[in-house]
Amino acid sequence: DAGVIQSPRHEVTEMGQEVTLRCKPISGHDYLFWYRQTMMRGLELLIYFNNNVPIDDSGMPEDRFSAKMPNASFSTLKIQPSEPRDSAVYFCASSLRREVYEQYFGPGTRLTVT
Amino acid sequence: LAKTTQPISMDSYEGQEVNITCSHNNIATNDYITWYQQFPSQGPRFIIQGYKTKVTNEVASLFIPADRKSSTLSLPRVSLSDTAVYYCLVGAAFKAAGNKLTFGGGTRVLVKP
Repeated sequence: DAGVIQSPRHEVTEMGQEVTLRCKPISGHDYLFWYRQTMMRGLELLIYFNNNVPIDDSGMPEDRFSAKMPNASFSTLKIQPSEPRDSAVYFCASSLRREVYEQYFGPGTRLTVT
Repeated sequence: LAKTTQPISMDSYEGQEVNITCSHNNIATNDYITWYQQFPSQGPRFIIQGYKTKVTNEVASLFIPADRKSSTLSLPRVSLSDTAVYYCLVGAAFKAAGNKLTFGGGTRVLVKP
């Protein structure tokens, strides 16, 4: 199994631009999670999906952030417009329903907004 | 999710056993204890999970006393490659809603030669 796949691995963009991060979960996993990690705030859960349906988006910082999961094998996290304070590493993770605390994380996308 | 407290950092040497204790005084009856490991520039990796007594796998052991208000992750004979941040998390393994992992600050373990 290839594990959770994220793209791009690195993204550098200018303030105001739209950024789209992509994630392919492990096949067969029911849950998909988006996290953000910074030195100041640590690892924060932004949103998670169960069977492609968003369950809890209370961690999404503001309306500039949106996430979709059009099918079981693909999810996107979009930031529009981006701001320098969005600079962070964004992780996607997936898990099986019964093992929801055993999450498998992707390699992350390092986002830099200048 | 029960709040957890763990040391900020620990140093050790190759070949030694490393024990990281996590306090979770408000753990609920249905809560499990889970530990993750994160290497620099990588996502966290699940290490071990337990409910009570002792759990052991090929990577680590988890010791949980009877009152479950704390737990200890034990890494036997560490090597330089075990240098990482270790997170302790406590919560229900499955709930009808709100299945969340809340990562605290973790314990930064540095293994020296």
